[in-house]
Amino acid sequence: GEQVEQLPSILRVQEGSSASINCSYEDSASNYFPWYKQEPGENPKLIIDIRSNMERKQIQELIVLLDKKAKRFSLHITDTQPGDSAMYFCAASEEASSSFSKLVFGQGTSLSVVP
Amino acid sequence: EAAVTQSPRNKVAVTGGKVTLSCNQTNNHNNMYWYRQDTGHGLRLIHYSYGAGSTEKGDIPDGYKASRPSQENFSLILELATPSQTSVYFCASGDQDWGGAETLYFGSGTRLTVL
Repeated sequence: GEQVEQLPSILRVQEGSSASINCSYEDSASNYFPWYKQEPGENPKLIIDIRSNMERKQIQELIVLLDKKAKRFSLHITDTQPGDSAMYFCAASEEASSSFSKLVFGQGTSLSVVP
Repeated sequence: EAAVTQSPRNKVAVTGGKVTLSCNQTNNHNNMYWYRQDTGHGLRLIHYSYGAGSTEKGDIPDGYKASRPSQENFSLILELATPSQTSVYFCASGDQDWGGAETLYFGSGTRLTVL
């Protein structure tokens, strides 16, 4: 089945700088790649996603890049703020049947933004 | 926003005991999921359901059963709990679009400790 590798597991950046999280997947049939953010003590929430027919997507300070050839995708947070401190999960879709896909999540990245 | 409610929030069980985790969603989503979250492993799928009456094995189903008696409710059952099942469990619901993309709405989680 699909496997998703996420790096780094821990990331510490200075406030105002950029943060980058990288994920790789194995199944070339994967066509949907969401990112979830989990603040301490909270549940994960979708923050941005990208489909396989796109290479780049931006929502405010969040940028997602997808390289289908290399089977890699990444999240970039520009101008980080303390509120960006959280656990981040990438995921890739895996076909479970002809009409249903399920998500396989990466291991998570704990991001700390320090003053 | 989608509302997914889990109960209990915290549970302490003894080895060999039976544990039932409950999940209720009020958004009429077809799909429901049970994940466990462990440090270094991210979110791993245990069981999922397409709709009332259906349950499917996820990526780590051993030691768990699931039940979907209605559109709103999805339970996770540990018939013989073991310490290795100590974890945080998240329920989620969602609907997939034509391309298999799906926003998952997570509950607040259940912290289970098996002694």
